[in-house]
Amino acid sequence: QKEVEQDPGPLSVPEGAIVSLNCTYSNSAFQYFMWYRQYSRKGPELLMYTYSSGNKEDGRFTAQVDKSSKYISLFIRDSQPSDSATYLCAMGGIQGAQKLVFGQGTRLTINP
Amino acid sequence: NAGVTQTPKFRILKIGQSMTLQCAQDMNHNYMYWYRQDPGMGLKLIYYSVGAGITDKGEVPNGYNVSRSTTEDFPLRLELAAPSQTSVYFCASRARDQIGNTIYFGEGSWLTVV
Repeated sequence: QKEVEQDPGPLSVPEGAIVSLNCTYSNSAFQYFMWYRQYSRKGPELLMYTYSSGNKEDGRFTAQVDKSSKYISLFIRDSQPSDSATYLCAMGGIQGAQKLVFGQGTRLTINP
Repeated sequence: NAGVTQTPKFRILKIGQSMTLQCAQDMNHNYMYWYRQDPGMGLKLIYYSVGAGITDKGEVPNGYNVSRSTTEDFPLRLELAAPSQTSVYFCASRARDQIGNTIYFGEGSWLTVV
């Protein structure tokens, strides 16, 4: 069993739709949960960060963490063509080096 | 600030050749990382460093070596390149006391071994 599982998609939705991206994990030591966005031929950039369980909202983006179910989600409201990218979930423990474990990434396309 | 700079951007190697991927950061970050990204496989940690003179293996270290002689630089050495090392390589860095756990990535190095 992989430590972090993410549906690779691809996922294609019309502009304006609500998008839901998800990851499950098996390591209960994970405390930090992140979503990275990666445009084609670019490095990943941090989109959202959450510590422990709960919700976090930033503009059109909402990150949810449910540690009891070992499940995290990223919601994108009013999706735009510029949101088309690969989205990677990442998780880490509280150890100093913060070695993150990444999901496989979900390729998302928003169609105008 | 340039952030994390990787060179070269693209490289084709023949089987058995060796090369070094360069990585430099100008943010005075303590932690530096090398990841590889294969299609549909996410990012796999190759090596990491918590400071100058200190390096440690990640998840997929075989076939690679690193050094950290300065805070700024963290080169990745490929010895005896193999087709299985065809991948996109990302260098990343982070401050030790970074709030929000932000890891900054470089733009990537595309390597093909033929």
